[in-house]
Amino acid sequence: DAGITQSPRHKVTETGTPVTLRCHQTENHRYMYWYRQDPGHGLRLIHYSYGVKDTDKGEVSDGYSVSRSKTEDFLLTLESATSSQTSVYFCAISQRTGGEDGYTFGSGTRLTVV
Amino acid sequence: ILNVEQSPQSLHVQEGDSTNFTCSFPSSNFYALHWYRWETAKSPEALFVMTLNGDEKKKGRISATLNTKEGYSYLYIKGSQPEDSATYLCAIYNFNKFYFGSGTKLNVKP
Repeated sequence: DAGITQSPRHKVTETGTPVTLRCHQTENHRYMYWYRQDPGHGLRLIHYSYGVKDTDKGEVSDGYSVSRSKTEDFLLTLESATSSQTSVYFCAISQRTGGEDGYTFGSGTRLTVV
Repeated sequence: ILNVEQSPQSLHVQEGDSTNFTCSFPSSNFYALHWYRWETAKSPEALFVMTLNGDEKKKGRISATLNTKEGYSYLYIKGSQPEDSATYLCAIYNFNKFYFGSGTKLNVKP
């Protein structure tokens, strides 16, 4: 496979607790993305990164923060989890921006906030 | 936010049938369109990357066309097989981001 792993695969957490999801790649791709997938909404971009320490917001960034301290890791943090953040989270990577390359996706993290 | 619409939402066909579905998007500022195949319990897998008006791409029994002037792309599957059952996602690249449609869920009955 493409060398992208997400951890954990599943997590149940309580409302108000902080949660960090990790995306790790071994492809040395510059661009990394976090999406959430909800029924009826498809995939929606939360945040993305275009290099170490370079990140930007996507369309549903409220309540989320990210960090990228090294090329291979992109962390997504829910500072204080809410039930509306129950979702499946996908990380994706690409070598180039500009749409020339298809994304490679991780296997997803299913997060349940109770 | 860029609105990407896919239709139909779901589709049920018999094995051997040919089928097609649509991705519609705003035609202004188009840069690239991607089609992904997403099987249940797996992650999306890139099928096609299309950038030019009139582009046609083919992979086995699956093909896609692109019309950037009118803002749509068609995905065709010839002679559907049960293993084609999946959700097919369309994504439009614009302003450094991809915007995904909600997908067309295809179920091919043996």
